[in-house]
Amino acid sequence: DAKTTQPPSMDCAEGRAANLPCNHSTISGNEYVYWYRQIHSQGPQYIIHGLKNNETNEMASLIITEDRKSSTLILPHATLRDTAVYYCIVRATDSWGKLQFGAGTQVVVTP
Amino acid sequence: EPEVTQTPSHQVTQMGQEVILRCVPISNHLYFYWYRQILGQKVEFLVSFYNNEISEKSEIFDDQFSVERPDGSNFTLKIRSTKLEDSAMYFCASSARGWDTEAFFGQGTRLTVV
Repeated sequence: DAKTTQPPSMDCAEGRAANLPCNHSTISGNEYVYWYRQIHSQGPQYIIHGLKNNETNEMASLIITEDRKSSTLILPHATLRDTAVYYCIVRATDSWGKLQFGAGTQVVVTP
Repeated sequence: EPEVTQTPSHQVTQMGQEVILRCVPISNHLYFYWYRQILGQKVEFLVSFYNNEISEKSEIFDDQFSVERPDGSNFTLKIRSTKLEDSAMYFCASSARGWDTEAFFGQGTRLTVV
């Protein structure tokens, strides 16, 4: 499975945009980039996923570089409830859908 | 909004006992998963299940573990003879398809082995 690299932590001010980077330089052409988050040992929560194009939903935007070697998750207006560990995961196409979680980025949103 | 539900939320068991963790996946989903998270550690994949059989399993999923879909709605994880190191949060997940659709997770069962 393609490996991802994320910063271990980052802070964000409430109301500001949070930009979470992820490197996945060994990603294969048909592997998707997924983002999940985990709030204090609750079940991981799906945020967004993409293959090549940028994606947006009600929670976030996903920007994938043209070479697909990195991506950025954007939380447009961070709130205190967005404090969580955020995981960037490359999902292998031959994996029956399993998700390989890394350590993720601990995001702390401050007032 | 449809959700994955897990019961119980917390289970305490004595070492050597058998436990069954229960999950009700989202109704039209076809792929089912179990993950675990030992306190302070990463979420780890255990097993995936499709078409009434195991499709993939990790090294953690040894002979003491088994999964079953006994009816059209439930998906269970059985640990035959629990060890202290089995203490963890166990998460069930389901997805409509495999790797190209999102998986939805339940809130987990906290298993404590004493």
